[in-house]
Amino acid sequence: NAGVTQTPKFQVLKTGQSMTLQCAQDMNHNSMYWYRQDPGMGLRLIYYSASEGTTDKGEVPNGYNVSRLNKREFSLRLESAAPSQTSVYFCASNLVGSNQPQHFGDGTRLSIL
Amino acid sequence: GDSVTQMEGPVTLSEEAFLTINCTYTATGYPSLFWYVQYPGEGLQLLLKATKADDKGSNKGFEATYRKETTSFHLEKGSVQVSDSAVYFCALSAGDSNYQLIWGAGTKLIIKP
Repeated sequence: NAGVTQTPKFQVLKTGQSMTLQCAQDMNHNSMYWYRQDPGMGLRLIYYSASEGTTDKGEVPNGYNVSRLNKREFSLRLESAAPSQTSVYFCASNLVGSNQPQHFGDGTRLSIL
Repeated sequence: GDSVTQMEGPVTLSEEAFLTINCTYTATGYPSLFWYVQYPGEGLQLLLKATKADDKGSNKGFEATYRKETTSFHLEKGSVQVSDSAVYFCALSAGDSNYQLIWGAGTKLIIKP
């Protein structure tokens, strides 16, 4: 049972380059999320998708775009990477409802030089 | 708005000591409460949850009781092990926040042999 799978696990980019982080879940979850985690800080929500076909901004959406490709997949795109976007990115998913926990991928460690 | 406050870390204990990590919350309505754990280099894993007042969540020797009167969900373990060294996150989910998770900042726990 794979759960939430993120690719790649590590990536180094130069300032101004673009890239897409991929996320897929096999638990038939409705909602999916992208977070960033910076040293000494908690999780900050970038974007989320409450259901297939919808996406909404979270706390820190600037510099990012997302696509909910289908129910399984939710991608995060950096159009023009900046050093401030160096972070660990986590994808998560869950069923709708307040008592439903989110399930996390192992993260993508992204460095922008 | 809804919020979660955790005790600042790092918390350093000796093996077999008693652990308490404090978590208090602010929310309207009746949120669900969660503790997640993040081991070094890994994603977040659900540790335990409670969905209504006076519920006790438990897992791997950890416990937390949903106290509505004190708006708290403190994490406890009677005898910690070196393998419990990790970052612990408290979080809530409520209808007012569209069932997104509201996260505490995390508490780093270091257990010394």
